[in-house]
Amino acid sequence: QVQLQESGPGLVKPSGTLSLTCAVSGGYISSSNWWSWVRQSPGKGLEWVGEIYHSGSTNYNPSLRSRVTISVDKSKNQFSLKLTSVTAADSAVYYCAKASMSVAGLPFDSWGQGTLVTVSS
Amino acid sequence: EIVLTQSPGTLSLSPGERATLSCRASQSVSSSHLSWYQQKPGQAPRLLMYGASTRATGIPDRFSGSGSGTDFTLTISRLEPEDFAVYYCQQYYSSPRTFGRGTKVEIK
Repeated sequence: QVQLQESGPGLVKPSGTLSLTCAVSGGYISSSNWWSWVRQSPGKGLEWVGEIYHSGSTNYNPSLRSRVTISVDKSKNQFSLKLTSVTAADSAVYYCAKASMSVAGLPFDSWGQGTLVTVSS
Repeated sequence: EIVLTQSPGTLSLSPGERATLSCRASQSVSSSHLSWYQQKPGQAPRLLMYGASTRATGIPDRFSGSGSGTDFTLTISRLEPEDFAVYYCQQYYSSPRTFGRGTKVEIK
């Protein structure tokens, strides 16, 4: 059973960069899964941010593409999110999630517990 | 992007009653790419159904899903106390992945 754990600063200043890491345990990041970031705020509900495969291939939500970078570190079995030029609208609970390529439709079958990020000076 | 509209926003029911939740897509979605999640306060979403009608591991058979094209339904045949939560549908038929705004099932 794969487990995911988010970590990173809970407070980011406006115009700064949000950086989060998701540690994967109980499985390998090099397995046949897509690794995603999903955020949830009261105003926008659940919003998919983007995903990465262990090869480094990425897909991003067009609404965030210009500000988002997702990367993978196979040596540490983790993947990361960077979101630049943040505003208060980026305040949310950020989840990392796994989608298995062995399941049609790539549903998210594992989630981290989530980490609250607040953008404020 | 595909917009998913869930209705009703809130469903007030008693334990033992049947719950019927709707998810309507702004354009046709392959049923293979439609999933449902359950979320309780302070917790991450949990996968309930994928492929519109396949229960995820450990999900009891009182949960069922159906639908095709633009209209999908999640049914809970007899509500148990632990079923009161928010339910979301989600698609990955086309990028970006999108979620509905959720249906809250609350105790009447």
